[in-house]
Amino acid sequence: AQSVTQLDSQVPVFEEAPVELRCNYSSSVSVYLFWYVQYPNQGLQLLLKYLSGSTLVESINGFEAEFNKSQTSFHLRKPSVHISDTAEYFCAVKRDSSYKLIFGSGTRLLVRP
Amino acid sequence: GAGVSQTPSNKVTEKGKYVELRCDPISGHTALYWYRQSLGQGPEFLIYFQGTGAADDSGLPNDRFFAVRPEGSVSTLKIQRTERGDSAVYLCASSSDSSYNEQFFGPGTRLTVL
Repeated sequence: AQSVTQLDSQVPVFEEAPVELRCNYSSSVSVYLFWYVQYPNQGLQLLLKYLSGSTLVESINGFEAEFNKSQTSFHLRKPSVHISDTAEYFCAVKRDSSYKLIFGSGTRLLVRP
Repeated sequence: GAGVSQTPSNKVTEKGKYVELRCDPISGHTALYWYRQSLGQGPEFLIYFQGTGAADDSGLPNDRFFAVRPEGSVSTLKIQRTERGDSAVYLCASSSDSSYNEQFFGPGTRLTVL
């Protein structure tokens, strides 16, 4: 069965520092990859997704993630974080033949001033 | 336009009681999904509807859980004989009819079984 691993349950960083949130998935022939963000007291929102094409995908608020097939990874990065980036981040995978999302256990990003 | 809405936002019940959780998807979305998020975990798939029919209910944990979508829009998740282990946030999502399309999530219903 498909699975997603987010090794870091919490990542504390100072404002304006770079950050990387790690995500690894179990190998499958064809998958789509997603990062969702959950701000305090809000619902899940799609941050970015990889479906096909360029392996580097970007969000409108400065996050990027790179699909690495050989490493089966989809790590999320941002060169300089803001206080407002404090949230829970979930990596998810979906097989080409399926509609359901398989989520990791989440990483809490805590940005300190 | 309006997003996915879920009611109630919070539900506290006693062990053994019956509960219903409601989801209103985005208008026009034919696909609807239910997930369950336990404390400290990511959401776990429960059931997927395409129109009125349940296309995949492989995530329902047991026969105490049941979901319907009689008119292809609003969906209700029903839990019989609730147990303390059912306490979680129940999330609903909807999408247009394509596996490529983004699933839009509602704010969830926090269920607490005492």
